[in-house]
Amino acid sequence: AQSVTQLDSHVSVSEGTPVLLRCNYSSSYSPSLFWYVQHPNKGLQLLLKYTSAATLVKGINGFEAEFKKSETSFHLTKPSAHMSDAAEYFCVVAKSYGGATNKLIFGTGTLLAVQP
Amino acid sequence: EPEVTQTPSHQVTQMGQEVILRCVPISNHLYFYWYRQILGQKVEFLVSFYNNEISEKSEIFDDQFSVERPDGSNFTLKIRSTKLEDSAMYFCASSEVGYGEQFFGPGTRLTVL
Repeated sequence: AQSVTQLDSHVSVSEGTPVLLRCNYSSSYSPSLFWYVQHPNKGLQLLLKYTSAATLVKGINGFEAEFKKSETSFHLTKPSAHMSDAAEYFCVVAKSYGGATNKLIFGTGTLLAVQP
Repeated sequence: EPEVTQTPSHQVTQMGQEVILRCVPISNHLYFYWYRQILGQKVEFLVSFYNNEISEKSEIFDDQFSVERPDGSNFTLKIRSTKLEDSAMYFCASSEVGYGEQFFGPGTRLTVL
């Protein structure tokens, strides 16, 4: 069965310092992995996705993630945090039933706080 | 930029009442989804919908739940007889293709008293 585990429920960084949000996945075959972000009172927005092409995936707002099969990880990073990055981040794996649609399986979320 | 919208943003209802949550997907999208998040828990898949029928559904999506696309723009989730444990944030999503990016709405917070 597919699943994702987000290793930190809360991360706090200072503005201008690097961000690392950790995610490990479990999948019986090559997974499709995503990071979504949710700002207060907003919908879930896709940051980036991995679908078995390049292992280093670049997303919006300077975020990137690296797919490491040997470590079953898909950690999200950003070199320099901005105040506007404060939000909840979800690591997500897609489960296909072989039908028309994907079911997204969400991690528990990591709340990122950015201190001035 | 096109976006998924949901109404209402917050719905309060009495246990046993019927509720209808409404979503307007992005206009050229053909695949529609409902997810929910109980407070403090993970976002969970409920159902996906394509070509006027359910494609997949989870074990949560029992006979109390139904979905409908009543016209060319709306996509609704009906809970026939609400229970306390139905209190959650309900997210609608849509995608252009079945395996494509799912675009999410801001959610409807349902509170069952």
